[in-house]
Amino acid sequence: GAVVSQHPSRVICKSGTSVKIECRSLDFQATTMFWYRQFPKQSLMLMATSNEGSKATYEQGVEKDKFLINHASLTLSTLTVTSAHPEDSSFYICSARDPWERGGREQYFGPGTRLTVT
Amino acid sequence: QKEVEQDPGPLSVPEGAIVSLNCTYSNSAFQYFMWYRQYSRKGPELLMYTYSSGNKEDGRFTAQVDKSSKYISLFIRDSQPSDSATYLCAGSYNTNAGKSTFGDGTTLTVKP
Repeated sequence: GAVVSQHPSRVICKSGTSVKIECRSLDFQATTMFWYRQFPKQSLMLMATSNEGSKATYEQGVEKDKFLINHASLTLSTLTVTSAHPEDSSFYICSARDPWERGGREQYFGPGTRLTVT
Repeated sequence: QKEVEQDPGPLSVPEGAIVSLNCTYSNSAFQYFMWYRQYSRKGPELLMYTYSSGNKEDGRFTAQVDKSSKYISLFIRDSQPSDSATYLCAGSYNTNAGKSTFGDGTTLTVKP
């Protein structure tokens, strides 16, 4: 299966600062990546769809100015949490879809980034 | 109503038992169905992937899709303590831009 990495795996930051999380597809090119948020013992909440070379598509209720997404290359998408607050503390997970051209439909997930805002 | 419904459990079984995990979905446009396993504080891991109706087997795991009843199942034979995790089902459209819609997950504990 495809491999997706995330960095950092864990980050603690102070309220008001910004944090950048990287998501990389290691062995395939991903035109589409997804960013999720997951609270303890809850399911994945899709935040946005990241498209290489174009603007991300945000889900309803997700602040695009707070959660900045950049998909600058076919193997890298970044999520920046700007002016973080304690309520932004969560587990952030990215995924990359296997290219349609390769016959793939499924998503491969990164290991997640645990963000704690103090 | 959620597009994908999943009993959250928790489900607890003894080692060696057959486990049945189930989901229902409401969107008839879904063509692809996936099962993911997620260990605590880790990202989900793709287990099984099926297209349309039918069965698919991979080792101890069998995925079933019944589109007529909009029912998705995952069976685990000879369950092991290492199978203890949260299992997420998901459905996806038949489009290039299609994103997956996930159930809330079922937490499984296999007791030795």
